[in-house]
Amino acid sequence: AQKITQTQPGMFVQEKEAVTLDCTYDTSDPSYGLFWYKQPSSGEMIFLIYQGSYDQQNATEGRYSLNFQKARKSANLVISASQLGDSAMYFCAMRDYGGATNKLIFGTGTLLAVQP
Amino acid sequence: DGGITQSPKYLFRKEGQNVTLSCEQNLNHDAMYWYRQDPGQGLRLIYYSQIVNDFQKGDIAEGYSVSREKKESFPLTVTSAQKNPTAFYLCASSSGRADSIYEQYFGPGTRLTVT
Repeated sequence: AQKITQTQPGMFVQEKEAVTLDCTYDTSDPSYGLFWYKQPSSGEMIFLIYQGSYDQQNATEGRYSLNFQKARKSANLVISASQLGDSAMYFCAMRDYGGATNKLIFGTGTLLAVQP
Repeated sequence: DGGITQSPKYLFRKEGQNVTLSCEQNLNHDAMYWYRQDPGQGLRLIYYSQIVNDFQKGDIAEGYSVSREKKESFPLTVTSAQKNPTAFYLCASSSGRADSIYEQYFGPGTRLTVT
């Protein structure tokens, strides 16, 4: 069965520093996608970055990058130059492309607090 | 602007009453989803629909019902059979295009409180 694990319930980071949020996954399907979402206190989920299982390079989107280590089944989110507005919950999610649905499986999230 | 709207943002109901949460999208997406989020928890899938007039149960469908009569709309009814209905409900949609990565776009959510 598919599973996403986020072992860090909460993290602190100083403004302007980089932070890594951990995510490990488990799937038996060779074709899958990994997503990171940000959830501010307002509640809306914001799509940040995507990594496909066959992508050769790590995904990057502005200050966000994904450290994809396929053999270790990890897909850590790296946020560079943290800003106060980065304070939020962050969720890792996975989609199994071998299945007939577009379902996402979510982890339990990591609460990031950026300190001035 | 394209997006997903959910109404209302806050909803209060008495125990034993059914309540319907609205979800509308103008992204022309084929697939729509309903999730439930409890405090400090991740999202759990209630129902999803990949096409009009078709929907499937997610992981926690008991006590909920949905309909998909129009592509743009996917309302969720929380019935009196749902034992713990107080939660934050999120609606999402995704494209069914073959070249899509199927990222899901979310609405702002409805916070339901049942007393």
